[in-house]
Amino acid sequence: QVQLVESGGGLVKPGGSLRLSCVASGFTFSDYYMSWIRQAPGKGLEWVSYITSSGSTIYYADSVKGRFTISRDNAKNSLYLQMNSLRDEDTAVYYCARVITRLPDVWFDPWGQGTLVTVSS
Amino acid sequence: QSVLTQPPSVSGAPGQRVTISCTGSSSNIGAGYDVHWYQQLPGIAPKLLICANSKRPSGVPDRFSGSKSGTSASLAITGLQAEDEADYYCQSYDSSLSGYVVFGGGTKLTVL
Repeated sequence: QVQLVESGGGLVKPGGSLRLSCVASGFTFSDYYMSWIRQAPGKGLEWVSYITSSGSTIYYADSVKGRFTISRDNAKNSLYLQMNSLRDEDTAVYYCARVITRLPDVWFDPWGQGTLVTVSS
Repeated sequence: QSVLTQPPSVSGAPGQRVTISCTGSSSNIGAGYDVHWYQQLPGIAPKLLICANSKRPSGVPDRFSGSKSGTSASLAITGLQAEDEADYYCQSYDSSLSGYVVFGGGTKLTVL
């Protein structure tokens, strides 16, 4: 079955960096756009970024543009999120999700279990 | 403040019907972009419930239905069950400068 497993979360100080990973299985990874979505504690969902199937085109939310970098390795069925210059407000559970496209409409199915990133001094 | 507006909470008794609204604007729902709905049970990742306004993915009970009109969309749940108690989020595409993917703020459904 389709499965997404995130890793790499943890505690980091403000201004620090962290790299999240998401390993996919059960589908042809290279055929799909992929995305990161986050959820701050007790808050709603916030889209972070998505990347096209080849990695040639990338979109970011304004809140992370210039600080976060999404990438993928289709040979390893893996999605990444490099997070730099982290701020307190980046504290959240970060979900990896497969993107279903009917451009420009996109939606997310399925989602991984999430990995918690805590930014605190 | 979310681009898509949902009521913070709704409630209903078992067996009843409830609806959750999702109000957008001319740069998202009103522009003709699709609305999708997710269910997030306590402590776990969101799950796709309705896509493309009204389509149910395989495995989603037909008690769940979606509709869209103008700048708004709705999720209806009939025959309410205790296990439906969850947070529900709408999502769409937005063509404004701050755009791309937008979510509603979420609605907490309580089954009385």
